[in-house]
Amino acid sequence: QSALTQPASVSGSPGQSITISCTGTSSDVGGYNYVSWYQQHPGKAPKLMIYEVSNRPSGVPDRFSGSKSGNTASLTISGLQAEDEADYYCSSYTSSSTRVVFGGGTKLTVL
Amino acid sequence: QVQLVESGGGLVKPGGSLRLSCAASGFTFSDYYMSWIRQAPGKGLEWVSYISSSGSTIYYADSVKGRFTISRDNAKNSLYLQMNSLRAEDTAVYYCARTDGYSMTFDYWGQGTLVTVSS
Repeated sequence: QSALTQPASVSGSPGQSITISCTGTSSDVGGYNYVSWYQQHPGKAPKLMIYEVSNRPSGVPDRFSGSKSGNTASLTISGLQAEDEADYYCSSYTSSSTRVVFGGGTKLTVL
Repeated sequence: QVQLVESGGGLVKPGGSLRLSCAASGFTFSDYYMSWIRQAPGKGLEWVSYISSSGSTIYYADSVKGRFTISRDNAKNSLYLQMNSLRAEDTAVYYCARTDGYSMTFDYWGQGTLVTVSS
C-alpha cells in the first residue's frame, strides 16, 4: 500500500479537463509545499511535470497545473490531448525517515 | 543537455549481488543530490536511496536498508548502487534521478536498468 493515495484510473475526452487527486497526511502533503507530479508513458522513464505543488518545469505545457488543499494535492490537465494518455504519479517530501513518498499512480485514458 | 545512463542490471540468483552504475553528463554532477528509484513490473514507483552532493548524507528505504549501499564518484560523474542479499522482491527497473535535496523533486531520470532476481 502506497503512502499517498491516488485514484487507480481517470478518463476524459479530447479537449476536456481532468483532475487527479493525491491524498496524504500532515506529515507529507499537508505539511510541506513539496509535492511533485510525474508522467510516465509505457516503457519510458518518468518525466517531471509539476514541482513544489504548482510549478511547471521549462517545456511542460501550461495545460498542466497543480494545486493543494490541506492534505490533498491535485493535478489538473486541461484541453486533454491524446499524448496525455499515461500513468501519473505524485510524490511528496515527508518528515519520516524515508524522506519522500510516492502515490500508487493513476492511469489516464483519453477516450 | 542533462543525460543519465544506467548500467549493470541483469539476472541474478536470490542472495546474490549486483552493482548498478549511473553515468551523468550535461550538468555539474558534484552540485547535485542523486537518487535511485525502482519500479517493479507493473507496479508503481518506489524510492530506494539518496546521496547528497558530497556523499556525506545518505538515506535508504527501510526495504533495502542494510543490504544496499549508495555511493558516488564526483571525479567520474558517476553514481552507484551496490545491491547485496538480493531477493525476488527486488526485481524491478532501477532508475537514477537527479534530486533536489530540499524538496525531494526528481527533475531528470535515466532510462532505467532491469534487475531480475530469480533462481
